[in-house]
Amino acid sequence: DAKTTQPNSMESNEEEPVHLPCNHSTISGTDYIHWYRQLPSQGPEYVIHGLTSNVNNRMASLAIAEDRKSSTLILHRATLRDAAVYYCILRGWSSGGSYIPTFGRGTSLIVHP
Amino acid sequence: KAGVTQTPRYLIKTRGQQVTLSCSPISGHRSVSWYQQTPGQGLQFLFEYFSETQRNKGNFPGRFSGRQFSNSRSEMNVSTLELGDSALYLCASSSALRTDSSGANVLTFGAGSRLTVL
Repeated sequence: DAKTTQPNSMESNEEEPVHLPCNHSTISGTDYIHWYRQLPSQGPEYVIHGLTSNVNNRMASLAIAEDRKSSTLILHRATLRDAAVYYCILRGWSSGGSYIPTFGRGTSLIVHP
Repeated sequence: KAGVTQTPRYLIKTRGQQVTLSCSPISGHRSVSWYQQTPGQGLQFLFEYFSETQRNKGNFPGRFSGRQFSNSRSEMNVSTLELGDSALYLCASSSALRTDSSGANVLTFGAGSRLTVL
């Protein structure tokens, strides 16, 4: 299964943009790139996903490199509520006939007031 | 609509015992997957069920098993508990309708069941 690599932690100031990188150099053509975040004592929460093109939603933007070997989650204006562990996940096809997720270790985002 | 519900939220067991965890997916979701989260290994995929059939299984010993009922509710069981089984066990559901489109489907996670093995 393809793996993802993320920095252990990143820091940002409130109301500034945050760019969270993820490397997935062994990604296959059918792997979707998903981002989830996890607050303390909660399950992960969906943020955004994409396959090849950049994606935007109300929470964030996802920039996918042309060769798809890396992606960046962009939070346009960080708030204190965005402090969480962010996971870059590849949902790839498996021999069992289903997409299974491969998790990186996640990036702990610290937001300073 | 109600989210993914996991019970119990917390439980303590001793080595050698077994445990059963329950997951109720979002209404209408037929795909349920289970994950183990530990500080050392992070999030690891356990298995996935779709319409009562196990579609995939992660790299875990046979002590870890699961099943899905006709109403899509799922249970996972861990037998002969070991200290290393202490973890947060997460369940997620998705609205996958066809296997070839499920990579794009969003996972909705429950809050998890925190298991402590003494």
